[in-house]
Amino acid sequence: GAVVSQHPSWVICKSGTSVKIECRSLDFQATTMFWYRQFPKQSLMLMATSNEGSKATYEQGVEKDKFLINHASLTLSTLTVTSAHPEDSSFYICSAPQDYEQYFGPGTRLTVT
Amino acid sequence: RKEVEQDPGPFNVPEGATVAFNCTYSNSASQSFFWYRQDCRKEPKLLMSVYSSGNEDGRFTAQLNRASQYISLLIRDSKLSDSATYLCLGYSSASKIIFGSGTRLSIRP
Repeated sequence: GAVVSQHPSWVICKSGTSVKIECRSLDFQATTMFWYRQFPKQSLMLMATSNEGSKATYEQGVEKDKFLINHASLTLSTLTVTSAHPEDSSFYICSAPQDYEQYFGPGTRLTVT
Repeated sequence: RKEVEQDPGPFNVPEGATVAFNCTYSNSASQSFFWYRQDCRKEPKLLMSVYSSGNEDGRFTAQLNRASQYISLLIRDSKLSDSATYLCLGYSSASKIIFGSGTRLSIRP
């Protein structure tokens, strides 16, 4: 089946710095990708829909200036957490659809100290 | 009202038992539903697609009831390895992804 990769798989950064997470569809093109956040023992929460060639669509309550999304090509979407704070520490996952099936990336574990 | 409602559980059942849980959805135009399994600290992985005619894969049976707007997952002869969180995922008419918050299942020896 289709494969979605994420990089890095885990990252530790200092408070106030920015972190970029990449999501790639390895063997298919994705005009749309989805970004999620999941806190420990909580459910997956959709943050935004990344659209190739246009602006991302953010879910209610998600700050677009803090979570910058760039979908520069049909196989790559990036999520940049700007001015990260400890409360941004979470598991960030992306997914890309192919034939209505969602393929999830392995996730990126972000820890902000 | 959430677009998809799912009982968060946890469901705690003995090994060998049969367990079932549902997801209800509010948008009657929703289509293309799937059940995903998520293990702790891992990404969701596709378990099976859901069709109106029903879909069976070994011990797992998925069903879509459009009239009552719910999808179901039945696990027979549960194994310890079935312990996980099960997510239902679908698409609304706007091709917007919708999904439940997940049902936690714990199988005890």
